Amino acid sequence: EDQVTQSPEALRLQEGESSSLNCSYTVSGLRGLFWYRQDPGKGPEFLFTLYSAGEEKEKERLKATLTKKESFLHITAPKPEDSATYLCAVQDHQGGSEKLVFGKGTKLTVNP
Amino acid sequence: DVKVTQSSRYLVKRTGEKVFLECVQDMDHENMFWYRQDPGLGLRLIYFSYDVKMKEKGDIPEGYSVSREKKERFSLILESASTNQTSMYLCASSSPTRAFFGQGTRLTVV
Repeated sequence: EDQVTQSPEALRLQEGESSSLNCSYTVSGLRGLFWYRQDPGKGPEFLFTLYSAGEEKEKERLKATLTKKESFLHITAPKPEDSATYLCAVQDHQGGSEKLVFGKGTKLTVNP
Repeated sequence: DVKVTQSSRYLVKRTGEKVFLECVQDMDHENMFWYRQDPGLGLRLIYFSYDVKMKEKGDIPEGYSVSREKKERFSLILESASTNQTSMYLCASSSPTRAFFGQGTRLTVV
């Protein structure tokens, strides 16, 4: 069974204090790993898709990396507007199904 | 801009009512999903569909059914609403490279 575990559950940072969020996963055959940002009361907003170990993607202050067992979302010099819950999901192509399985998320708070 | 649209942002229904949540996507995606999201439990998959009239159970299908008569539309049905189905419901559609979500429906069953 596919599993996704995110850590920490919650993270408080000061503005400008860089850090990383972790997503560890277990899948039969990884089709893709997705990162999302979710603001309170809204649907998740797509950030990145990673497909294979060693791949990296960047967007503004965010950089996502992927290994065979986990992914990291690095946040460089965060600002208060980066406060949100960050979700990780994996898509498994085992058996032709493209089910998306999510972790429980990391709630990030960036204080000014 | 790509869009996944859910029919309602907020709904209040009575116990025992039949409830329909509608989702429409304009990206010609094969795959569509219904999740519910509860504090501390994250996003849990209820049902998904990989083609018209095709569906598969997710992790928590009990008390729910779905309908996909057209490619762009995926409906979630609560046959007899109960208070433990009070939640945020999220619809998504996906391509091989990304999945997009609707804005969510906050359902309260009283």
